[in-house]
Amino acid sequence: TQLLEQSPQFLSIQEGENLTVYCNSSSVFSSLQWYRQEPGEGPVLLVTVVTGGEVKKLKRLTFQFGDARKDSSLHITAAQPGDTGLYLCAGGRGPGGSYIPTFGRGTSLIVHP
Amino acid sequence: EAQVTQNPRYLITVTGKKLTVTCSQNMNHEYMSWYRQDPGLGLRQIYYSMNVEVTDKGDVPEGYKVSRKEKRNFPLILESPSPNQTSLYFCASRRLAGERGNEQFFGPGTRLTVL
Repeated sequence: TQLLEQSPQFLSIQEGENLTVYCNSSSVFSSLQWYRQEPGEGPVLLVTVVTGGEVKKLKRLTFQFGDARKDSSLHITAAQPGDTGLYLCAGGRGPGGSYIPTFGRGTSLIVHP
Repeated sequence: EAQVTQNPRYLITVTGKKLTVTCSQNMNHEYMSWYRQDPGLGLRQIYYSMNVEVTDKGDVPEGYKVSRKEKRNFPLILESPSPNQTSLYFCASRRLAGERGNEQFFGPGTRLTVL
C-alpha cells in the first residue's frame, strides 16, 4: 500500500521557471521529510517539518506541511540546472524510537539550461 | 567524516548463488535499515534494526536476511538470489533518541543484477 502519493512523477522545465511538487496522503503523520537524490548517490535530507501549517525555507526552496499533517508541498523558485534530481517525501508516525518513515515514489526533476 | 558505506557498489551474480552486501556506519547510530529502489516504485524498506540483536521486517522482506551483531554493521544477505531481486539497494542509519523524524543518512547504493 502506497501511503504517500507524489505528483507529478516527472517534471522537465527550463532554467528560471518555478515549480511545485506535492506529497499527499490520507494518513496523519507526526512529521514529514523531503529528500533529494542525485544519480548514483543515496538520498540526502533537505528538511523535516513537524507542525501542521509549518513553512520552512531553504534558499529558493519552500516547504509546507499541511494544517492536518496529511500533505506537504515543495516549491522551487527560479529553478537552476543544479536542482535536477529525484525529490522524495517521507512521512512517519510515532515518536523517536518507533518512528518508521514511508517514502513516496518520488518526483524526477530535470532543469534544462 | 560521518558516513554510511556499502560494499560492493556493483554486483552481477547468478540465480541461487548466496551473496552478502555489507553496510557500516561510523556515527554510532542505533537505527539501521535496508531499502530497495525500483523504477516507479520508489524506496521500499526491506528490514530495519533498532539496536544490536534487534531486527524487524519492513515492507518487502521476502528473500532477504539481516543480522545486527555489532552496532556499526548491518549486512544484507540473499541466501538464494532470484532475478526479481535485481535492484538498487540502499543502507541507511539514524539516531533513535530525540525529536521526531531524525535525519536518515544513506549509503551510496549497491546496484545488484541477478541473471
